[in-house]
Amino acid sequence: AQSVAQPEDQVNVAEGNPLTVKCTYSVSGNPYLFWYVQYPNRGLQFLLKYITGDNLVKGSYGFEAEFNKSQTSFHLKKPSALVSDSALYFCAVRAPDRGSTLGRLYFGRGTQLTVWP
Amino acid sequence: GAGVSQSPRYKVAKRGQDVALRCDPISGHVSLFWYQQALGQGPEFLTYFQNEAQLDKSGLPSDRFFAERPEGSVSTLKIQRTQQEDSAVYLCASSPRTSGALQETQYFGPGTRLLVL
Repeated sequence: AQSVAQPEDQVNVAEGNPLTVKCTYSVSGNPYLFWYVQYPNRGLQFLLKYITGDNLVKGSYGFEAEFNKSQTSFHLKKPSALVSDSALYFCAVRAPDRGSTLGRLYFGRGTQLTVWP
Repeated sequence: GAGVSQSPRYKVAKRGQDVALRCDPISGHVSLFWYQQALGQGPEFLTYFQNEAQLDKSGLPSDRFFAERPEGSVSTLKIQRTQQEDSAVYLCASSPRTSGALQETQYFGPGTRLLVL
C-alpha cells in the first residue's frame, strides 16, 4: 500500500529565511512524488513532481524538492520565504499497486506554512 | 477559463436531501478523478474515469455515492440521502492521458464545499 506522512502540522518561518516542509513516503515500487499548495477556498495548485532522474526537482514560485531514496523522503524547500508563501502544502505519491488503480494520488495530511514579516 | 471548474462552490443540504456536484475538466483531458477532503485532512480518492468509463470506484464510501461522466467530459458526483458525515470539500481533478501514465500531473478544480445540517 502507498502512504505519505507529513510529520509537521505547522511550520513557521520569518520572511527571507529558508524553509523546509517535510514529507516521507511508503510505496511498493518506484514512487512518483508530487507537491501541491492550497490557498484558502481554492483547489490544489501543482508545484512540482519527481518522476526520475535528478534528485533535486525545481518547480513553481522558486520551490524545489529533494528526493532521497534511502530515507524515503521528498522534502519541499525554498531558499528565501515570502509572506505570500503562507498556505497549506500537501505531499502526494503515486505508484504501481497490484490490484488497484494506477491513477490515484495518496496525500499526506498537509502542513500549514506561515511566513511572518 | 482553461482550468478545471466545479459548481456549485458551496452547498448546504439538509440531512436526507440528495445533492449533485458538477465538474468541468480541462478540455480534452482523458482522465478525471474525484476526491473527498474532510476538514483538516488531505484529499482521499473516491473514483476515476477514463473518458466515459468509470474504471475505479473503490473509494466511494457507500452506495449513496454515485458518479457519472456520460459523454467523457463533464462529470457529476451525486450523493443520495446526505448524512452529516458527508460534509467535506469535494475536489475534481483531470489529467491529459490515461491513468497508466503515472508521471501525469493532475490539475484540480476549486472544489465544492458541502455542509450537511
